[in-house]
Amino acid sequence: KAGVTQTPRYLIKTRGQQVTLSCSPISGHRSVSWYQQTPGQGLQFLFEYFSETQRNKGNFPGRFSGRQFSNSRSEMNVSTLELGDSALYLCASSLGTGAARDEQYFGPGTRLTVT
Amino acid sequence: GENVEQHPSTLSVQEGDSAVIKCTYSDSASNYFPWYKQELGKRPQLIIDIRSNVGEKKDQRIAVTLNKTAKHFSLHITETQPEDSAVYFCAASSPGGYSTLTFGKGTMLLVSP
Repeated sequence: KAGVTQTPRYLIKTRGQQVTLSCSPISGHRSVSWYQQTPGQGLQFLFEYFSETQRNKGNFPGRFSGRQFSNSRSEMNVSTLELGDSALYLCASSLGTGAARDEQYFGPGTRLTVT
Repeated sequence: GENVEQHPSTLSVQEGDSAVIKCTYSDSASNYFPWYKQELGKRPQLIIDIRSNVGEKKDQRIAVTLNKTAKHFSLHITETQPEDSAVYFCAASSPGGYSTLTFGKGTMLLVSP
């Protein structure tokens, strides 16, 4: 079974621009969660989508948004980029329901650099 | 919301020694506690997990223990090897039926040959 994939793997953007990142979950997984990883803050939860609905949201400004498609693929968007948005963005997929709903498997991440 | 504290932040051991990493959580309703290993430049990998109805779980050289009363859980690695060197993260599930994890800040484990 193929693992979680993310595109692109690397991005360099300028302050004020916007960016869209993509995540394809493991086949059969209906939940996609997004995390921001930085050296100082570790792994911080952004939001979780399940069956095209945002089910939970972390403490990030409204510039961070996401969506999920009917095939469970998910995108996250960051508008008006700031230098502090430079980070590794990881998505994780899980079944989303049942006893193993919260077993999450991570993608390789997208390294975003804002200059 | 849930808060997870992890200690130590760095841990250096000699090959063959045991390593223990400890985490505490704040929400007594959390019921799922995974551990992830992240090697440099790679994705976090799920290495072991435990649910709140179990006190201990083992998988070869790694084990996890859970004390629900004290709200802490620990990762134990025995007979450490240089390839165990990585950053280890503990996490706790978010109550409410969501697939959300709150992570500790991580422990950098260095195993010297």
